[in-house]
Amino acid sequence: DGGITQSPKYLFRKEGQNVTLSCEQNLNHDAMYWYRQDPGQGLRLIYYSQIVNDFQKGDIAEGYSVSREKKESFPLTVTSAQKNPTAFYLCASSLNAEQFFGPGTRLTVL
Amino acid sequence: DQQVKQNSPSLSVQEGRISILNCDYTNSMFDYFLWYKKYPAEGPTFLISISSIKDKNEDGRFTVFLNKSAKHLSLHIVPSQPGDSAVYFCAANYGTSYGKLTFGQGTILTVHP
Repeated sequence: DGGITQSPKYLFRKEGQNVTLSCEQNLNHDAMYWYRQDPGQGLRLIYYSQIVNDFQKGDIAEGYSVSREKKESFPLTVTSAQKNPTAFYLCASSLNAEQFFGPGTRLTVL
Repeated sequence: DQQVKQNSPSLSVQEGRISILNCDYTNSMFDYFLWYKKYPAEGPTFLISISSIKDKNEDGRFTVFLNKSAKHLSLHIVPSQPGDSAVYFCAANYGTSYGKLTFGQGTILTVHP
């Protein structure tokens, strides 16, 4: 089955800890994206990558880091510098303008 | 600066009637627009898109209209079904190549049986 997987679906962490969210795609897409969704708000872009070993900051990159060592994988690290990390995180990939989304990871920082 | 706006947080319609979801944008550089549907705790799924060279695109029960002069687009769902109840996001892009999408805040559609 072709698609995007994100793991885990739910994640709990203590304040001050870094946490890494996984995103894998087998669609052979060059571009991958990370978004954050908060209640009552749209999706806000954190980071995106158009090609392996290259990525750019989105609109709300502060407190986050990414890597793109493989075409299939685009992990997101939420660092302790992120002031409000509790949110629903969505990963996406695309070949053109239409982006395909994973199921999301709900991160709760206690 | 909210470049893509969905001013109605929610919409409630009766099954079988038309649902009209609206979206406004401010950036005249946007030339490709998409609608996504999202259920709670799931990722958005693509519904329909439209390029700025068109003013209408239809796919089954879903039709998107684009009014470039007003910088306004709308999604019509006819007839509405209870399974259409979800959050609908409009998004905009420059061109059809991959790149950043700018999303609106979303509209919660509830279709009553």
